Amino acid sequence: DQQVKQNSPSLSVQEGRISILNCDYTNSMFDYFLWYKKYPAEGPTFLISISSIKDKNEDGRFTVFLNKSAKHLSLHIVPSQPGDSAVYFCAAIPPFKGGSEKLVFGKGMKLTVNP
Amino acid sequence: ETGVTQTPRHLVMGMTNKKSLKCEQHLGHNAMYWYKQSAKKPLELMFVYSLEERVENNSVPSRFSPECPNSSHLFLHLHTLQPEDSALYLCASSQDGQGGIYEQFFGPGTRLTVL
Repeated sequence: DQQVKQNSPSLSVQEGRISILNCDYTNSMFDYFLWYKKYPAEGPTFLISISSIKDKNEDGRFTVFLNKSAKHLSLHIVPSQPGDSAVYFCAAIPPFKGGSEKLVFGKGMKLTVNP
Repeated sequence: ETGVTQTPRHLVMGMTNKKSLKCEQHLGHNAMYWYKQSAKKPLELMFVYSLEERVENNSVPSRFSPECPNSSHLFLHLHTLQPEDSALYLCASSQDGQGGIYEQFFGPGTRLTVL
């Protein structure tokens, strides 16, 4: 069963507008969430994260919102730029248990920002 | 070299071949991971090594055999693979056990094709 879901496989937006990428999860024990960005032929790179004790984290053009009651998080990119075109992965992690942090990933969503 | 490197970047092999994927991290991390990325599927965690000990093996077939000789190097030995094993294999590393540091750093991946 997929614990982290990115239900929309793709999104296309105009340069300068807002991009909103959504992610849903099923495991209420997840307490940390991350977004990764992946360009073709490259590994995923970390973008932004949020702890479950927060509902918002902002870093420049990127803001992640967390709604724990709905088990939903979203990544907002504003203004969107053509260089943001990539596949975005949502990932979650259960509470730290003294072992390695095991990320659970969604399928990814392809964002295309048109000039 | 910096970050996480993987070799080879591309590999084509027959089902009877034996090959190995190599990963090296230059970040001083103490945990390393193998992930498999297949088309239209979430990133699948295969193996986790923490302090050179295998701590996770996610029901991966025995035709995949990991090896972690030290904290900087990780191998994935491949033997009698199937065409459905064709995928992008990603290596990642992290600094384990620090509590609150959950970011994993990924290598560029090895694109494996099994004929």
